[in-house]
Amino acid sequence: DSGVTQTPKHLITATGQRVTLRCSPRSGDLSVYWYQQSLDQGLQFLIQYYNGEERAKGNILERFSAQQFPDLHSELNLSSLELGDSALYFCASSATLGRVAGGPSDTQYFGPGTRLTVL
Amino acid sequence: TQLLEQSPQFLSIQEGENLTVYCNSSSVFSSLQWYRQEPGEGPVLLVTVVTGGEVKKLKRLTFQFGDARKDSSLHITAAQPGDTGLYLCAGHLVNAGGTSYGKLTFGQGTILTVHP
Repeated sequence: DSGVTQTPKHLITATGQRVTLRCSPRSGDLSVYWYQQSLDQGLQFLIQYYNGEERAKGNILERFSAQQFPDLHSELNLSSLELGDSALYFCASSATLGRVAGGPSDTQYFGPGTRLTVL
Repeated sequence: TQLLEQSPQFLSIQEGENLTVYCNSSSVFSSLQWYRQEPGEGPVLLVTVVTGGEVKKLKRLTFQFGDARKDSSLHITAAQPGDTGLYLCAGHLVNAGGTSYGKLTFGQGTILTVHP
């Protein structure tokens, strides 16, 4: 158990719909990262928040947005869903911003993921 | 284009055999991580290497970071069925300014199957 929790575990929805994925980081971790894992693209970084502020962005679609709340939990909102959005979505957390590579506090701990199926 | 090319993509071996997984890039990384992922679970960190030429050992697993910090390898000695899983390399890219951000760039992964 990494200490990172994600809900829901599974989500099945229809095209055009909007969903919200939730992540609670490990106690004390200030950074939250969102990743998408699909068979063809592998694990892709989406976005990073640190202490409530967006700090790094990957190839996140405009239909996707995220935020980190004062209690440090984060939500990833996916809207106008398409079939191709079906994937595993992982949240990870680390103690630091992650700019100092290799230190134990930079380690990203991954949650169990949310499997999104768009029909 | 994958920034981190991982090979082989699939590996099926017998218990007791040795194997090596490679992770290569034309870009420089400030650190390289190796993760293992089981079905239905998130990746779990095995090791982080940060210094060019660094070698780390974790029981039967040996990890190496290339001198130029562009490549890494994972070697497993005497593989066991319990080693079966998806192995992922990931790294923090060094940007033009020489700093590294929190985002991890992942390789495509190697699916290892060890048969009893």
